[in-house]
Amino acid sequence: NAGVTQTPKFRVLKTGQSMTLLCAQDMNHEYMYWYRQDPGMGLRLIHYSVGEGTTAKGEVPDGYNVSRLKKQNFLLGLESAAPSQTSVYFCASSQPQGRADTQYFGPGTRLTVL
Amino acid sequence: QQQVKQSPQSLIVQKGGISIINCAYENTAFDYFPWYQQFPGKGPALLIAIRPDVSEKKEGRFTISFNKSAKQFSLHIMDSQPGDSATYFCAALKVGNQFYFGTGTSLTVIP
Repeated sequence: NAGVTQTPKFRVLKTGQSMTLLCAQDMNHEYMYWYRQDPGMGLRLIHYSVGEGTTAKGEVPDGYNVSRLKKQNFLLGLESAAPSQTSVYFCASSQPQGRADTQYFGPGTRLTVL
Repeated sequence: QQQVKQSPQSLIVQKGGISIINCAYENTAFDYFPWYQQFPGKGPALLIAIRPDVSEKKEGRFTISFNKSAKQFSLHIMDSQPGDSATYFCAALKVGNQFYFGTGTSLTVIP
């Protein structure tokens, strides 16, 4: 089992460019999440999904869009990148809360927006 | 508004000492409190977790103490080792809702 994988590991964008971060999990988990991690801010939830075809906003959704077309994949899109979106992005997955509450995290994507 | 407040921001402990990290929350609907450990360049990984029906949970050198009336919980690392040097995050969850994370504590254990 690879667990949770993220692509790419690093990326540098110019302001206004767009990109998509890919998260994949092979644990057949229902729930998937996208977080951003900034110094002194901890982990903040951007968007999450409770199943294929469903998405919901988290704590800091502005400037991001997501899609969950397949159960094993969760995509995070930046349509017009801004320097404020410079961060480390983590994807996570879990079984439905209440059955197994452990979140499994990917290795992260370090994004720099110039 | 920070749903879970964590302190201290950084902690330096001698090898063999006890590391203590504290968290506090306001929402009494939270019913699951995990701690995550994160090494540089890696994603967080679950270390230990507790539900509010118990006051303490121990796994090896790691113990969570939970005070429901004070709405506080803490992580104790006994006999701290250099390999424990990492960033630790507390979190809180209301089942059916989302996880809320603390801001993290950078632990350094000096040999």
